[in-house]
Amino acid sequence: QSALTQPASVSGSPGQSITISCTGTSSDVGSYNLVSWYQQHPGKAPKLMIYEVNDRPSGVSNRFSGSKSAYTASLTISGLQAEDEADYYCCSYAGGNTHVFGTGTKVTVL
Amino acid sequence: QVQLQESGPGLVKPSETLSLTCTVPGATKSNYYWNWIRQPPGKGLEWIGYFFYTGTINYKSSLKSRVTISMDTSNNQFSLKVNSVTAADTAVYYCARGIHPQKAFDIWGLGTMVTVSS
Repeated sequence: QSALTQPASVSGSPGQSITISCTGTSSDVGSYNLVSWYQQHPGKAPKLMIYEVNDRPSGVSNRFSGSKSAYTASLTISGLQAEDEADYYCCSYAGGNTHVFGTGTKVTVL
Repeated sequence: QVQLQESGPGLVKPSETLSLTCTVPGATKSNYYWNWIRQPPGKGLEWIGYFFYTGTINYKSSLKSRVTISMDTSNNQFSLKVNSVTAADTAVYYCARGIHPQKAFDIWGLGTMVTVSS
């Protein structure tokens, strides 16, 4: 199980939209609609932002949305705010009741 | 809101066993999957494995030979043991709840830092 591939960093100005990609293989992202996204501020635990590709847990802003095409999942943050500056990780079901995380993306709000 | 709390030694010597616990009130009778996930300093997250109250356990294949996850029903705790540790096992270790073995982790503990060093 190799880690899913994410860009190391993505940046945007307040109010803009950014998209983070998460590329896997036919063994994980490509085979299951079971991709989740986590936000992690420095020194804090990860927080679930998106599950099953495009569903949001209660309490998560609708500025966060997810999608998937073939082997690549994406997280879009609309109306970027200063509080969105954090690390973001994707995670996919990888068969056999196992999971694989992405390499992580640092989002910077300019 | 369910609170997860990891605990254990912050320093372990190389070749020894790392032991952590996660306390979750009611965990032993709940229909959730209790996972361990770790994060080396400055690096990404790695799923280690899970325990389900029926006794079903699953591990990441590359760690399977060194890892044991179990549950102490009397104390509402589930535990992680990693044998023969090296510096590569230095990480923040998180426990996290899953509602299904294939789905997302919806609640996380605060994490506990474990350093492997002599």
